[in-house]
Amino acid sequence: AQTVTQSQPEMSVQEAETVTLSCTYDTSESDYYLFWYKQPPSRQMILVIRQEAYKQQNATENRFSVNFQKAAKSFSLKISDSQLGDAAMYFCAYRSRGSGTYKYIFGTGTRLKVLA
Amino acid sequence: ETGVTQTPRHLVMGMTNKKSLKCEQHLGHNAMYWYKQSAKKPLELMFVYSLEERVENNSVPSRFSPECPNSSHLFLHLHTLQPEDSALYLCASSQEGAATNEKLFFGSGTQLSVL
Repeated sequence: AQTVTQSQPEMSVQEAETVTLSCTYDTSESDYYLFWYKQPPSRQMILVIRQEAYKQQNATENRFSVNFQKAAKSFSLKISDSQLGDAAMYFCAYRSRGSGTYKYIFGTGTRLKVLA
Repeated sequence: ETGVTQTPRHLVMGMTNKKSLKCEQHLGHNAMYWYKQSAKKPLELMFVYSLEERVENNSVPSRFSPECPNSSHLFLHLHTLQPEDSALYLCASSQEGAATNEKLFFGSGTQLSVL
């Protein structure tokens, strides 16, 4: 069975600085998706970034980028120029690719604090 | 506007009560999910419906009963709950089969407290 591990329960970053959140996963599959979701105090989980395992190029979305190391099964999220609005819980998630698979497997989350 | 709406936002119920959580998605998606979120635990997948047919049921106690009357609506009926069922219940939807863009869209959840 696949697992997702986020080893940092909490991180802090100074406003305008850069922070990296870690995520590792375990799978025997070769084709899958990886995600980072953000959950602010409003509770609604919002997709930050999505990576397809067959793509070697790291995904980027504005200030958010990932470092996807497939062999190491590592998928870290880098937030550049951190803003107060980035403060939230961040969840890493895995999902098998293919029809009929609906299981998105989540990590335990990392709480990010942004200091003014 | 997120496209997935959950009601109520908060719910307090006694162990003998019966209540229902409601989820509605306005995105035209073909799959809907119930997740349970407890502190310091990974999100737990409870149920998945694809085209109104239940395709996942993750060993959830029978005191939780899902219902999916159409592709836009999902309910979670609750009865004789236990205090350990107190949690945030999240609904999500996705468009499956697109092969290129599967991802979950979430509602804001129902914070459930069982007394």
